[in-house]
Order: sequence, then C-alpha cells, then structure tokens
Amino acid sequence: QQQVKQSPQSLIVQKGGISIINCAYENTAFDYFPWYQQFPGKGPALLIAIRPDVSEKKEGRFTISFNKSAKQFSLHIMDSQPGDSATYFCAAPALGYNKLIFGAGTRLAVHP
Amino acid sequence: SAVISQKPSRDICQRGTSLTIQCQVDSQVTMMFWYRQQPGQSLTLIATANQGSEATYESGFVIDKFPISRPNLTFSTLTVSNMSPEDSSIYLCSVGLAGETQYFGPGTRLLVL
Repeated sequence: QQQVKQSPQSLIVQKGGISIINCAYENTAFDYFPWYQQFPGKGPALLIAIRPDVSEKKEGRFTISFNKSAKQFSLHIMDSQPGDSATYFCAAPALGYNKLIFGAGTRLAVHP
Repeated sequence: SAVISQKPSRDICQRGTSLTIQCQVDSQVTMMFWYRQQPGQSLTLIATANQGSEATYESGFVIDKFPISRPNLTFSTLTVSNMSPEDSSIYLCSVGLAGETQYFGPGTRLLVL
C-alpha cells in the first residue's frame, strides 16, 4: 500500500526558531505535494503546496523544499510563533487514483 | 477555494443507532470525499462520493456501514450505521478543486457510548 512517511511525530521549538518537518513518498501519479495545518477542533486547512516545476516554494514564513531524486519534501517554518502550534500533515497523490495519501502528522508546539 | 459546512458539528450517540452527517459546499464540485480521523491520528479516506453513481469505498470500509449519498454537485451525506464505541471519531468532508487540491470542512465530532 502506498505510504507517505512523515517525521518527526512531535516537535518542540522556541519562539523565533525554525521548525522543520520531513516527508518521504513512494511513486506518485504526479508531482504535487501539499501541506495541511490543523488546529484542535478544526478541519485541516491547506497551508502551502508545491508542483514539480520548482524545487522550492516560499509563502511568507513557510517554505516547501522538494527533492525529486530522493523522493522527499519538507516544510520549513521560519521565525516560528506560538500561533503556529498545530498539527501538520503532508500529502501526496495516490498512484492511479484521484485522491491524496496523508502522512501521520507532526504535532508542533512553539514555546514563548 | 470553497466554503464547506458540515452538520452536525458534534454529537453523542448510543451504540446501535445511526447518524447521518451532511456536507454542503458553496459551489459545484466534481470530487467530494469523506474521511475519518481518529483521536490524535491522521486522515483516513472512507470513500469518494460520486454524483449520480455509487460511492467508491476504500479498503476496510463498506457501504452497509457507511452509506453515502450525493444527490447533486454541492451536497453529500455520510451515514454511520449501527454505531459502536469504535466509531467515535472525527468525520471530515472534503472537496477536490482544480485537480488535486482538496479543501476540508470543519468536521463532525462523534462520540458513541
């Protein structure tokens, strides 16, 4: 069964620090890798996504890095803030199906 | 993006009963999905709701337990049938826009006693 492996499971960062979450994927139908942010009691919200034409995408403090040869992609949160404390999920397109496979999630806590 | 609402937002149910969850989208969409998220866990796809045809279920999920309706391009329902405490979870509706992009509703928090 196709999987997306996400690490770490949990992460504690001091305010102002850099949070880094990594994902590794198996073969996918196409290259599209979104990250979702979920706060307690809320549904997941699309945070940022990358397509194959670039190796890095930046939106504000959030950056996705993509390494196609290694089949890995990562989320970097610069200048992490307590308001970033949430669970983050990476995802990848499933082979042969119009659906996404999600990683296990990373629970991020940013301490003041 | 799309604005997605779900009803109810939460419920407490007795075992053996059924609950129908509604998902409403503010625009017509081709792809609608139903997910389950158990406490502290990732998202597991239950089925893809197809307008005008039977839903497509993932391995481990069956129509008798999770019947789905999709009467039009803006609405879908998921029923959790003959519930047991193991069905306690968050149930999420999502829609697919612009190909692979998916947007999620706020979820329905279900507790089965």
